[in-house]
Amino acid sequence: QKEVEQNSGPLSVPEGAIASLNCTYSDRGSQSFFWYRQYSGKSPELIMSIYSNGDKEDGRFTAQLNKASQYVSLLIRDSQPSDSATYLCAVRGNDYKLSFGAGTTVTVRA
Amino acid sequence: GAVVSQHPSWVICKSGTSVKIECRSLDFQATTMFWYRQFPKQSLMLMATSNEGSKATYEQGVEKDKFLINHASLTLSTLTVTSAHPEDSSFYICSARDSPSWNTEAFFGQGTRLTVV
Repeated sequence: QKEVEQNSGPLSVPEGAIASLNCTYSDRGSQSFFWYRQYSGKSPELIMSIYSNGDKEDGRFTAQLNKASQYVSLLIRDSQPSDSATYLCAVRGNDYKLSFGAGTTVTVRA
Repeated sequence: GAVVSQHPSWVICKSGTSVKIECRSLDFQATTMFWYRQFPKQSLMLMATSNEGSKATYEQGVEKDKFLINHASLTLSTLTVTSAHPEDSSFYICSARDSPSWNTEAFFGQGTRLTVV
């Protein structure tokens, strides 16, 4: 049973600040890592994918992966009110199934 | 990215009836689709993996006779909730990948909000 743990929320940040989200996973054989954003009542939307150790940047988002520590994070720079959502960490193992964390709810205060 | 279309977006049904949810990959062929369920304030839980031309594989604790999955073509998978009860009320979401490679993304349908009254 793969476990994916996310830092408990909710996380409240002022507009323009950096939001930092953390995720750890139990299956050392996991190969693919994803961050999804989910607005209330909607299905998840892919924000970032990362497959190798290090940083990956896409606009205001930066994902970091450390397979040795079984840790993946997401930074949201210059947070906007539209970033207010629940962020889901997802991990895919050798069985190609995605396991999701419980999610961290982010609120960006204007 | 690839588009996955799910229908209907929401449905209300009476207890004891059956409801069918469709999941289509619009611009790619998906040999494998996944069905998730999400209760309020909870994360997505995988229910089953739908394989084109073969039986679906269900996660532990998911009743295969209650949640019927058919994946008759490379672009369509259906989930039928049989004899629905109020506790089956949930947000059902399908996803598909456009490649079997390990480093590809999963695309999600819009989700179906099922309410059983």
